Amino acid sequence: QFQLQESGPGLVKPSETLSLTCSVSGGSLSSNYWSWIRQPAGKGLQWIGRIYNSKTTFYNPSLKSRVTLSLDTSKNQFSLKLTSVTAADTAVYFCTRDRDYWSTADYWGQGTLVTVS
Amino acid sequence: QSVLTQPPSVSAAPGQNVTLSCSGSSSNIGNNYVSWYQQLPGTAPKLLIYDNIRRPSGIADRFSGSKSGTSATLAITGLQTGDEADYYCGTWDSSLSGGGVFGGGTKLTVL
Repeated sequence: QFQLQESGPGLVKPSETLSLTCSVSGGSLSSNYWSWIRQPAGKGLQWIGRIYNSKTTFYNPSLKSRVTLSLDTSKNQFSLKLTSVTAADTAVYFCTRDRDYWSTADYWGQGTLVTVS
Repeated sequence: QSVLTQPPSVSAAPGQNVTLSCSGSSSNIGNNYVSWYQQLPGTAPKLLIYDNIRRPSGIADRFSGSKSGTSATLAITGLQTGDEADYYCGTWDSSLSGGGVFGGGTKLTVL
């Protein structure tokens, strides 16, 4: 059973970089698919991107130019960087484990609110 | 604008049965696995159904999933007041510009 926990600043200034980390326990990062999903207040889920084994990444086309995902297997963590943020990036950010290539998340972190202001 | 289409709201009385729909295309639902999630206010989504039809351990058999072509359905029988929540469908989109995709969510109200 995986447990995921997001961490990072809750407040980011416009034009700066949002950086979040997801700490994973209960299993290895290796050979698993890891994603970030966000949810603006009162709105639906938006998939941000996925990383697999440090070498394979997939990004939402609408965010691709600003997003970087990375893995740190020594710490069992993976990270999100989103550059040049605006108020539109204010949301609850979730880290997740995807069940397999063809599916979305089966394990979720509790989510962390990031406000751009 | 979500890639998958869900009705914004559904309502029913306790004890009744409801079905929630999720419509997509051949690049997503048609060729990949659909998951369904329940989200209560202020909490992370919870996995209800994976691989189109399977329930994780601990999920009541009142919840069931199905898929036909490019559409998927979540059925809930014997509605309870605790089922009032937002429900999302999700899957992978295998098109060139694809990735994870979700529906806009359905707000289920138990009257």
